[in-house]
Amino acid sequence: GAVVSQHPSWVICKSGTSVKIECRSLDFQATTMFWYRQFPKQSLMLMATSNEGSKATYEQGVEKDKFLINHASLTLSTLTVTSAHPEDSSFYICSAKGMGEAEQFFGPGTRLTVL
Amino acid sequence: GQNIDQPTEMTATEGAIVQINCTYQTSGFNGLFWYQQHAGEAPTFLSYNVLDGLEEKGRFSSFLSRSKGYSYLLLKELQMKDSASYLCAVKDSNYQLIWGAGTKLIIKP
Repeated sequence: GAVVSQHPSWVICKSGTSVKIECRSLDFQATTMFWYRQFPKQSLMLMATSNEGSKATYEQGVEKDKFLINHASLTLSTLTVTSAHPEDSSFYICSAKGMGEAEQFFGPGTRLTVL
Repeated sequence: GQNIDQPTEMTATEGAIVQINCTYQTSGFNGLFWYQQHAGEAPTFLSYNVLDGLEEKGRFSSFLSRSKGYSYLLLKELQMKDSASYLCAVKDSNYQLIWGAGTKLIIKP
């Protein structure tokens, strides 16, 4: 099956710093990538959808200037959490799908802890 | 509004069968997914239904009734490793995935 990787798998940072999370599709071309956030014991919350070469579409309530998404190639998307605060601590998961495909393939997730 | 309902938590015994229900009200329908998510890990794909009926895949089966806005995931011969959250998700008319809150399944020996 298709493989999606994320890096780093976990990160601890100080409040006010920025953190970049990478999402890569390893064996297929991901025309669309999705970024999710999941707080403990809660369901996945879609943050944004990005199509390769286009600006990301953010869900209502997600700050575009705080969560910067770049999908510059068919195999890589990045999420940058700018000026992170403790309330941004969460499990961030990306998923990817190829053109015309129904199934999304999930990365292993990145656990962010902001001190 | 769009809504996916599934039980919060279920308990079953090792070796038994359990059925996890999911009802949905969405703007349009372009398929229903079931994912398994172990604690601290990302979801993994289990099944995809777009037509009515039962799809069987090993110990897991998924059923869909579009007229009733209803699906279930059936797990047979339960194993301890099946303890996880099971997420129901529906793709709406805009091809956006709408996620349920997940059902935490606890397997007891």
